[in-house]
Amino acid sequence: EVQLVESGGGLVQPGGSLRLSCAASGFTFSSYGMNWVRQAPGKGLEWVSYISSSSNNIYYADSVKGRFTISRDNAKNSLFLKMNSLRDEDTAVYYCARDRGYCSGDSCYYYFDFWGQGNLVTVSS
Amino acid sequence: EIVLTQSPGTLSLSPGERAALSCRASQSISNSYLSWYQQKPGQAPRLLIYGASSRATGIPDRFSGSGSGTDFTLTIRRLEPEDFAVYYCQRYGSSPMYTFGQGTKLEIK
Repeated sequence: EVQLVESGGGLVQPGGSLRLSCAASGFTFSSYGMNWVRQAPGKGLEWVSYISSSSNNIYYADSVKGRFTISRDNAKNSLFLKMNSLRDEDTAVYYCARDRGYCSGDSCYYYFDFWGQGNLVTVSS
Repeated sequence: EIVLTQSPGTLSLSPGERAALSCRASQSISNSYLSWYQQKPGQAPRLLIYGASSRATGIPDRFSGSGSGTDFTLTIRRLEPEDFAVYYCQRYGSSPMYTFGQGTKLEIK
């Protein structure tokens, strides 16, 4: 059974830092790209960042570029998100999600097939 | 940047009725890049449809996806009580890599 469990969230002051973790199990972690997605209170979903299986390709949303760093440790089946210079607007539940990108025939498909339960990050003074 | 616009914002229906949720892209996108998710209060999103029309594992066949180009639809045939939730469409692309629509809330009438 695929499981993704986030941890590391909490209350932090504006300008502070926090590191989220996502522990993966039930699948070959090193074979999949991974994502972070966030959801501000009462709002919709916002993609934050992607990292490929070997960490060779990394992408960020403009809203976090230069402040957040995604990384992974395939030996420990873990995904991370280091968040610096946090702002009030970064307050959200942060989800890790497995990336299911593959090609079959003439088509390539990209979607998130498994999600963690989410971890709340609150930025407030 | 391609924007996904979902409509309506809120849809009020009764169990047993048919629901049609719209997702419109600001530019044409490949069908294989369009997905739908369901989110219930306090829960993580769940994949329903990928490739615009393929049901994910374990998803009941009352859920179906259709469309192409800029217009996509998630249809729920004969609503069950557990189907009342928020639904998001998502597109893969570039700058940014993934984009979600703003969501449609399906509520009990």
